[in-house]
Amino acid sequence: EVQLVESGGGLVQPGGSLRLSCAASGFRFSIYEMGWVRQAPGKGLEWLSYIGHDGMTTYYADSVRGRFTVSRDNVKDVMTLQMNNLRVEDTAVYHCVKDIYGGATPFDSWGQGTLVVVSS
Amino acid sequence: DIQMTQSPGSLSASVGDTIIITCRASHDAGRYLAWYQQRPGTVPKLLIYNVSTLHIGVPSRFRGSGSATEFTLTVTSLQPGDFGTYYCQRYSSAPRAFGQGTKVEIK
Repeated sequence: EVQLVESGGGLVQPGGSLRLSCAASGFRFSIYEMGWVRQAPGKGLEWLSYIGHDGMTTYYADSVRGRFTVSRDNVKDVMTLQMNNLRVEDTAVYHCVKDIYGGATPFDSWGQGTLVVVSS
Repeated sequence: DIQMTQSPGSLSASVGDTIIITCRASHDAGRYLAWYQQRPGTVPKLLIYNVSTLHIGVPSRFRGSGSATEFTLTVTSLQPGDFGTYYCQRYSSAPRAFGQGTKVEIK
C-alpha cells in the first residue's frame, strides 16, 4: 500500500524557514515523479512544485519560486521541501503527492498533509 | 499566466440527478486534464485523467470529455457520496494548475 507521510510543519514567523519532509513507502520511490500541493484553510488546491524521479528536474509555482526548494533522497525514500522567507499567505496544509506513472501525469496518491502556520 | 477556470462555483442537486462541471484552460492542455473529488476533511481523490480515463475503482457514472481548452465532468445518477468539491487540473507541463473548485451539495 502506498503511504506518504509528511512532517515538519508548525508555527513560524514571517521571514522564517521550515523544512518539510515526506516519507514514502509501499512503492518504488526512485522511479516516480513527486511533488507538493498546498491548501490554505477553506481554500482550493494550489500546485507548488514537481521533482523528477532522479531529482534532476524541478519546477515551481510562481508564488514560491526562489523561496522554496524541493529535493529527494532515493536511498532513504524521502522528499523534502525547504521553505525560506515564509509569508503569512503561505499558511496552509502541505501535501506530498505522487504521480500515477512516469511522464506528465496527475497525482494518484496524497499524503494527509502537514500544517504550516506563518504568523507573528 | 496559466489559469484553469471552473464553472459553476457551486451547485446543489438531488440524488439521481445529472450534473455537469466545466473547466476552461487559458492555454491548450491537450489531453492532459484530470479531475479530482475532495470530500470535507479528506485528501483529494483522483477520478479521471487524460480527459476521459477513469481511475481505478471510479464508477462509470463519472465521465470526462473535451480537449484543448474546454473540458467537462459529467456525473450521472448522482449518489449521496458524490458531494464534495471537484477540481480540474492540467498536467501537460508546469505549472500543473488546478481550477478553483466546484462545490457540489446534495439536496
